[in-house]
Amino acid sequence: DVVMTQTPLSLSVTPGQSASISCKSSQSLLHSDGKTYFYWYLQKAGQPPQLLIYGISNRFSGVPDRFSGSGSGTDFTLKISRVEAEDVGVYYCMQSIQLPRTFGQGTKLEIK
Amino acid sequence: QVQLQQWGAGLLKPSETLSLTCAVYGGSFSGYYWSWVRQTPGKGLEWIGEINHSGTINYNPSLKSRVTISVDTSKNQFSLKVWSVTAADTAVYYCTVTDFFYYTMDVWGQGTTVTVSS
Repeated sequence: DVVMTQTPLSLSVTPGQSASISCKSSQSLLHSDGKTYFYWYLQKAGQPPQLLIYGISNRFSGVPDRFSGSGSGTDFTLKISRVEAEDVGVYYCMQSIQLPRTFGQGTKLEIK
Repeated sequence: QVQLQQWGAGLLKPSETLSLTCAVYGGSFSGYYWSWVRQTPGKGLEWIGEINHSGTINYNPSLKSRVTISVDTSKNQFSLKVWSVTAADTAVYYCTVTDFFYYTMDVWGQGTTVTVSS
């Protein structure tokens, strides 16, 4: 299985400041078709995960432009600019280049 | 807008069969990936399996011997069965549908908490 490793596991951010989360995969997520099969999800308390970013840097419908993704190959970053209270939750990365799809262990974002 | 509603028994004894159903409202099965994912405090999010856009069913090898995913297109439902459950199968189970081609849709069910205890 492709192992997804996130850092940090938790972070506390002052509203208005930025936050970054890293995710590293145990093998490249770049497919021969030129696409990178990498995603970011956010799970708010009491809710199922929701898709934020697909294909490294594409925001899903309705996701604010405060969220941005970057990276390539095996190293990826989610940046949240101007963190707001509604951004609180657990962020997960996921890969789908190889089955089984696998998730990172999650990064808990709190507001100071 | 597609909505998913899932149901099934929430309390099982070891060796029993977990059975969950997910009803699809406002859409059809064509062209999307219909998945089951579970979440435990210890292992986090775990992909169980899926029915892909072409109707092929794929399973997580770690569970494959005990899992069956099926679809009933006449009822617009898909189901999950996990045989011979143990305490390790205690989790919140989610059904999901995602458009992994054009990313027009990513919908999750509300989740079903399943506890396995004697």
